[in-house]
Amino acid sequence: GAVVSQHPSRVICKSGTSVKIECRSLDFQATTMFWYRQFPKQSLMLMATSNEGSKATYEQGVEKDKFLINHASLTLSTLTVTSAHPEDSSFYICSARPRRTDTEAFFGQGTRLTVV
Amino acid sequence: GEDVEQSLFLSVREGDSSVINCTYTDSSSTYLYWYKQEPGAGLQLLTYIFSNMDMKQDQRLTVLLNKKDKHLSLRIADTQTGDSAIYFCAETTMNTGFQKLVFGTGTRLLVSP
Repeated sequence: GAVVSQHPSRVICKSGTSVKIECRSLDFQATTMFWYRQFPKQSLMLMATSNEGSKATYEQGVEKDKFLINHASLTLSTLTVTSAHPEDSSFYICSARPRRTDTEAFFGQGTRLTVV
Repeated sequence: GEDVEQSLFLSVREGDSSVINCTYTDSSSTYLYWYKQEPGAGLQLLTYIFSNMDMKQDQRLTVLLNKKDKHLSLRIADTQTGDSAIYFCAETTMNTGFQKLVFGTGTRLLVSP
């Protein structure tokens, strides 16, 4: 299967600072990338959908100024958590859909963010 | 609206079959997926089924779809301890242009020796 690499896998930051998470499709071009948030023992909640070269579409209740998404190329999307607070601590997962298909999406390994 | 439900927990013995169930509400669901998540990791796509099919088999995995009842199941034959994980079903629907994956609540499978 296709490989999606997410970096970093774990990050601890101080309250008030910003954190950037990268999501790369290593062996395919991804026209669409998705960012999810997962709370402990819960399901994945879609935060936003980003298409290369255009603005991300955010789900209801997700603050676009707090969670900045950039999808500058067909292989890279970034999520920046700005002015992080302890309640932003969570597991963030990206997924990428290859250009060739509208049926499959491949997931990164996730990033555990802890804000202290 | 979209709502996908799963039972929270399933415990089986090694060598037995496991059946994980999922129900969904959106009748326009077109693709239905099963993902596996191991602790602290991302999601691994196991298999998916198109809504005009009622069964798909892939080695130890069998997916059954009852479109009338909006019920999806994943059967794992000869379950191994390495199958212990959380299993999510997910759907994409025509309503979202097949873009958005809506996930179920996840079923934690525990396989004991």
